[in-house]
Amino acid sequence: ETGVTQSPTHLIKTRGQQVTLRCSSQSGHNTVSWYQQALGQGPQFIFQYYREEENGRGNFPPRFSGLQFPNYSSELNVNALELDDSALYLCASETPGITEAFFGQGTRLTVV
Amino acid sequence: QQPVQSPQAVILREGEDAVINCSSSKALYSVHWYRQKHGEAPVFLMILLKGGEQKGHDKISASFNEKKQQSSLYLTASQLSYSGTYFCGTVSNFGNEKLTFGTGTRLTIIP
Repeated sequence: ETGVTQSPTHLIKTRGQQVTLRCSSQSGHNTVSWYQQALGQGPQFIFQYYREEENGRGNFPPRFSGLQFPNYSSELNVNALELDDSALYLCASETPGITEAFFGQGTRLTVV
Repeated sequence: QQPVQSPQAVILREGEDAVINCSSSKALYSVHWYRQKHGEAPVFLMILLKGGEQKGHDKISASFNEKKQQSSLYLTASQLSYSGTYFCGTVSNFGNEKLTFGTGTRLTIIP
């Protein structure tokens, strides 16, 4: 158990809809990163939040957005869902410098 | 660019040893190793920081050669529970840390 919780665990959405995924953080970790993992692939970096500010972004369009709250929990929002957005979405709770990075169990998103 | 792992897949009998390699085209600040079982999240195994150190616990250890921008994960006397996909994650810049995951190595342990 990492102490990092994601919700929901599974989700089915229709193309064009919007979705919000949530992630708690581990105590002492003020940084959270979000990753998209397609089937059979490694996790791909979406963005990172540090003390409520976006601190870097991967190669994902603006319809992927996020928030980090004062308690360091976080949300990932995806607008205008596409079929290719179907994937496992992982958040990682990190210490500064990423000397530790612990993943939540993930949210499996299916877009139909 | 994504770090390249080798081999892509390996099948071992219980008790055999394995080595998984991770190679980056960028200078590295740290290397992380994760194991992911099917349908589950990656589980953190260990981190190696710049300095060429070697780490290990139980029968899993790793080395980091910062000059060659390479890391290797060593699994000794493999157990059935070691099965899964292993990913290295690399961090290139101190102060702008982002994990870039490797291509993955699928390890299958058979009795």
